[in-house]
Amino acid sequence: QVQLKESGPGLVQPSQTLSLTCTVSGFSLTSNSVSWVRQPPGKGLEWMGAIWSGGSTDYNSALKSRLSISRDTSKSQVFLKMNSLQTEDTAIYFCTRNPRGVMDAWGQGASVTVSS
Amino acid sequence: NIVMTQSPKSMSISVGDRVTMNCKASQNVGNNIAWYQQKPGQSPKLLIYYASNRYTGVPDRFTGGGYGTDFTLTINSVQAEDAAFYYCQRIYNSPLTFGSGTKLEIK
Repeated sequence: QVQLKESGPGLVQPSQTLSLTCTVSGFSLTSNSVSWVRQPPGKGLEWMGAIWSGGSTDYNSALKSRLSISRDTSKSQVFLKMNSLQTEDTAIYFCTRNPRGVMDAWGQGASVTVSS
Repeated sequence: NIVMTQSPKSMSISVGDRVTMNCKASQNVGNNIAWYQQKPGQSPKLLIYYASNRYTGVPDRFTGGGYGTDFTLTINSVQAEDAAFYYCQRIYNSPLTFGSGTKLEIK
């Protein structure tokens, strides 16, 4: 069945770079797109960006200067890198499968705390 | 950029009641809207896509409607397990913006 699982460091120091990996199974990255969505504690959902099935990317304009999404189709993995982290980047980070933008499958989420 | 505005921010409903929540897009999005349900400590789950299509396994008490800029999610005969946050989202075209959510509490 379709599964997504986020992995990465739970703690990142301010000004450092966050690197997260989404490992997927049950579907191919070459025919499905994946988005990253984050949720600060007690707040709503924020779409961060997507990598489409053809490999192109789109980003939330508020994060574009700090964010990069890439993939390794042979390993069924999607990567998120975001630099210059601040405390307000503390959140749960989800990866989702999103055919035509519809997020029909979600990972369990990775909790990231930005703190020294 | 498109802004998705949800109302009300919260509502408290009794089991068996009918509830409608709203989502307004700042520009015409056609039927390119999805609705998600998120319970505490869980990942969101897809309920409705393309404004009115119920996703696989979603109970038929959940109904989506609307077109253009104004959309609704209606839950008929609310059950205790429907207590959650509900989010609308613009789909199909980037940015895939979410609304700020509606919290549904059960009395």
